[in-house]
Amino acid sequence: DIQLTQSPSFLSASVGDRVTITCRASQGIKSYLAWYQQKPGKAPNLLIYAASTLHSGVPSRFSGSGSGTEFTLTISSLQPEDFATYYCQQLNSYPRTFGPGTKVDIK
Amino acid sequence: EVQLVESGGGLVQPGGSLSLSCVASGFTFSSYSMTWVRQAPGKGLEWLSYISISSAIIYYADSAKGRFIVSRDNAKNSLYLQMNSLRVEDTAVYYCVRDEDFYDSSGSVGDAFDIWGQGTLVTVSS
Repeated sequence: DIQLTQSPSFLSASVGDRVTITCRASQGIKSYLAWYQQKPGKAPNLLIYAASTLHSGVPSRFSGSGSGTEFTLTISSLQPEDFATYYCQQLNSYPRTFGPGTKVDIK
Repeated sequence: EVQLVESGGGLVQPGGSLSLSCVASGFTFSSYSMTWVRQAPGKGLEWLSYISISSAIIYYADSAKGRFIVSRDNAKNSLYLQMNSLRVEDTAVYYCVRDEDFYDSSGSVGDAFDIWGQGTLVTVSS
């Protein structure tokens, strides 16, 4: 099974900050990676698929990059509604594994 | 409105069974592969099971293999998860999820989980 790690696991930031979250895969997954945002008590929402393609309706301040084993999610200017937990997920093979999550909190 | 609505969660004793359902609306259910994902209280997301459009291809996580059965009825726009031999560690919110295939000008770029239900809570406790 492909394991995903995320760093940091917790991030404290201010509105307007540039935020970067890293996701690493235990083996190469080409660009088969997605990012999700989850707010407390809600289902996750798809942000990015294919490592770098913004899903419909997602603000352009979100961007993704990477391929192979290392990927990043960047929020260019953190907004109040962005405080949430972010998960990466590999879609290269089954089982479809998720990273452990990165919680972005208000500084 | 594109929507997935789960039902069937509740309290069950260890060793018991529970059947979850998910009804899709607002899209052509029979054109999409579907997935179940769960989330234990305060924990991360765990992929559980995949079922293809025709039910010909099914995958399970190791945690579900031999105990859970996924099925679908395209005529009823419904996805199901039969859970047997439930354990305390199966306590979680269970999400029904649409698995969308994405394409660009070059062809397929892979899939991702684009529509999620609101989830249904399963509590396994004596």
